[in-house]
Amino acid sequence: AQSVTQPDARVTVSEGASLQLRCKYSYFGTPYLFWYVQYPRQGLQLLLKYYPGDPVVQGVNGFEAEFSKSNSSFHLRKASVHWSDWAVYFCAFMSNYNVLYFGSGTKLTVEP
Amino acid sequence: NAGVIQTPRHKVTGKGQEATLWCEPISGHSAVFWYRQTIVQGLEFLTYFRNQAPIDDSGMPKERFSAQMPNQSHSTLKIQSTQPQDSAVYLCASSLGRTTSAETLYFGSGTRLTVL
Repeated sequence: AQSVTQPDARVTVSEGASLQLRCKYSYFGTPYLFWYVQYPRQGLQLLLKYYPGDPVVQGVNGFEAEFSKSNSSFHLRKASVHWSDWAVYFCAFMSNYNVLYFGSGTKLTVEP
Repeated sequence: NAGVIQTPRHKVTGKGQEATLWCEPISGHSAVFWYRQTIVQGLEFLTYFRNQAPIDDSGMPKERFSAQMPNQSHSTLKIQSTQPQDSAVYLCASSLGRTTSAETLYFGSGTRLTVL
């Protein structure tokens, strides 16, 4: 079955440290993949999305993600985390019918 | 651009009552999606309209849930005879409705439904 898996329910990093949030996908062919962020009591906002092509995708607020077919992964990275990045991050894939299916989310906590 | 507008922000119903949730998509968007978010189940796809026509309702519970899109400016999600397990945040999203690329879905802030 096609899916995305986020193996880390919670991640804690110190402000200014680098960040990697993991996403593994299971998909026939090459998927369209997305990272969304959800701030407290808000809807989901797009960080970045992957089209087949350049494996490294740049997003908003200094986020980037790298697609790896060999590892079936689409990990999210940021070089230096800010306290405002405290949120829940969702990886998702888009079905052939343009429906987004989400992973379980990773809650990021930023320590001062 | 006001974004996707969902009303009400919070709704409290008694068990067995009906709840209607409203969604106004971004102007010019022809696709509307409904999702349900809970701690236990996460983000679940419910249903999807394009050009007001139902395209995929594979995530909708078979009983008590229905969705409509009577015009291009709003969609409703109706839950009849609400049960405590229906308590969740219901999210609406819209997109341009093109089918040939990885479309961005724009989400509203959600309606938090609490069934007592």
